[in-house]
Amino acid sequence: GQQVMQIPQYQHVQEGEDFTTYCNSSTTLSNIQWYKQRPGGHPVFLIQLVKSGEVKKQKRLTFQFGEAKKNSSLHITATQTTDVGTYFCAGPVTGANSKLTFGKGITLSVRP
Amino acid sequence: ETGVTQTPRHLVMGMTNKKSLKCEQHLGHNAMYWYKQSAKKPLELMFVYSLEERVENNSVPSRFSPECPNSSHLFLHLHTLQPEDSALYLCASSQTGQGLNEQFFGPGTRLTVL
Repeated sequence: GQQVMQIPQYQHVQEGEDFTTYCNSSTTLSNIQWYKQRPGGHPVFLIQLVKSGEVKKQKRLTFQFGEAKKNSSLHITATQTTDVGTYFCAGPVTGANSKLTFGKGITLSVRP
Repeated sequence: ETGVTQTPRHLVMGMTNKKSLKCEQHLGHNAMYWYKQSAKKPLELMFVYSLEERVENNSVPSRFSPECPNSSHLFLHLHTLQPEDSALYLCASSQTGQGLNEQFFGPGTRLTVL
């Protein structure tokens, strides 16, 4: 079945370092979404990318959708302790746009 | 954020108990979802309701029974659960049929089955 993969599941960085994580889909996606879940919290929508090669920025976060629309990246510039949490990517299930397939997420910890 | 609310926030129950989880969305969305989130596992989609009709049941055991009386409310009825059912149960809603179909999650119910 359709899979969305995020590897590794955990990453530790020193505050101020840059951080990049990737998301890979087994199928071509019509769009890709990113969510953030803070420790003890619930997933919160960050952004959706639709176009091939699309790049969107939110302050220190940069999101990119691959040319083939099968992968995506999230880059955080100069990480801060507020960036701590689990970042999930998700893509719509083929033929069922109301449903999303989520990756396992990457849990980011930031050393002050 | 109060767009999607869930009650209770925490629940401890024995294996012979019957309980219900409640979700309410105040966003005017037409689809609602139940997810299970366990440690070391991705978000597992359990049920989807679109326009109040169940459109997804991902091989969920019958001890979980969803109910969607209207587009704003979603319940998950629990009975004779197992300890491995202990997890965070998240409700979400979205507006389908449009370009941006982001899902809005509730705070979740942390369930512990003894």
